[in-house]
Amino acid sequence: EVQLVETGGGLIQPGGSLRLSCAASGFTVSSNYMSWVRQAPGKGLEWVSVIYSGGSTYYADSVKGRFTISRDNSKNTLYLQMNSLRAEDTAVYYCARVGWFRELLWGQGTLVTVSS
Amino acid sequence: DIQMTQSPSSVSASVGDRVTITCRASQGISSWLAWYQQKPGKAPKLLIYAASSLQSGVPSRFSGSGSGTDFTLTISSLQPEDFATYYCQQANSFPTFGQGTRLEIK
Repeated sequence: EVQLVETGGGLIQPGGSLRLSCAASGFTVSSNYMSWVRQAPGKGLEWVSVIYSGGSTYYADSVKGRFTISRDNSKNTLYLQMNSLRAEDTAVYYCARVGWFRELLWGQGTLVTVSS
Repeated sequence: DIQMTQSPSSVSASVGDRVTITCRASQGISSWLAWYQQKPGKAPKLLIYAASSLQSGVPSRFSGSGSGTDFTLTISSLQPEDFATYYCQQANSFPTFGQGTRLEIK
């Protein structure tokens, strides 16, 4: 069974850093495109970042220069390193496997709250 | 960026009703479109990919159509478990989403 489990969320002060993890099972992270998508409380969905199977990475303008997507092939895990966090980064962060038709298959999400 | 506009933003309907939600892209995206259902406190669930392909395990009362810039999601006969928020997503480039359509019980 394909499964994605995100961890690492929590309460963090503005300017702080946090690393989210997404442990995958039932498929190989490194052979797939993998994305992070976030949802602010009561709001819609916003794409954050993608890592391609070849290793190329891309980011939304809102997080470029502050967030870094990566993966550990030995652990079959995707990461999102978030630095210089702002209040507007408060959201549930979902990791997702990108399918053949670029559709998204989602984990359960982890909540990040940026507040003093 | 490709903008996605959903309508309506909310709709009230009864069990057994037929409901249609539309999604318009700001430029042509061929059939690179997906639909998701989201219930409160839960992750989005994939319903439709490639504009009209039903994801495995999704009931056949859900269907999608369209290509280019105009797309629809139809629920042929609403069931109690279908009351949720629905999002479209363009997959032609880095993903962007519609603002969501909240489907409420009348």
